[in-house]
Amino acid sequence: NAGVTQTPKFQVLKTGQSMTLQCAQDMNHEYMSWYRQDPGMGLRLIHYSVGAGITDQGEVPNGYNVSRSTTEDFPLRLLSAAPSQTSVYFCASSYRQGAIYGYTFGSGTRLTVV
Amino acid sequence: GQQLNQSPQSMFIQEGEDVSMNCTSSSIFNTWLWYKQDPGEGPVLLIALYKAGELTSNGRLTAQFGITRKDSFLNISASIPSDVGIYFCAGQNYGGSQGNLIFGKGTKLSVKP
Repeated sequence: NAGVTQTPKFQVLKTGQSMTLQCAQDMNHEYMSWYRQDPGMGLRLIHYSVGAGITDQGEVPNGYNVSRSTTEDFPLRLLSAAPSQTSVYFCASSYRQGAIYGYTFGSGTRLTVV
Repeated sequence: GQQLNQSPQSMFIQEGEDVSMNCTSSSIFNTWLWYKQDPGEGPVLLIALYKAGELTSNGRLTAQFGITRKDSFLNISASIPSDVGIYFCAGQNYGGSQGNLIFGKGTKLSVKP
């Protein structure tokens, strides 16, 4: 099925461990983004990309790295996980930055850092 | 940066009641959006508003883009159990990084049958 696929759905990490959250879309969308969702905080933008090879920081980028080597994939890396990064992470894509319709979210990755 | 204030934070209502929630901003937006998030899923777009003063309906949902471009509201009429979820407002402007969506903190809706 077409859409945004996030893996894993659930993950528990120990403080200091590293991991990569995967995001893939098969809609040939130029724009991809990562959000984190915390209780009472809404969705906050971490990083985004307007095309392969181009990434930029959002509102809360510290502690996260991204790269965009292909149009389809936009992985989010935690180099040294901290308890403050416990959250639900959503990847989203659209055909271009600023587009509204077709702005598709994945179903999320629930991350717990202990 | 820009912030959106969404209220109320949560609502507990009886099936059949109408619901109203709103969003305000300290700065203007060119576009207002309303999303719904079901448990365990990502947000899904409900309504998009493009013009100040615009009133748009989608079934039992009605949303308005405030005249000042700094606020928007969403009404749900005759609520049903499947309306349960978190509703987010989002604002967007034109050009570069301003095209990124800025989200409110959400309104959690619970419906008693």
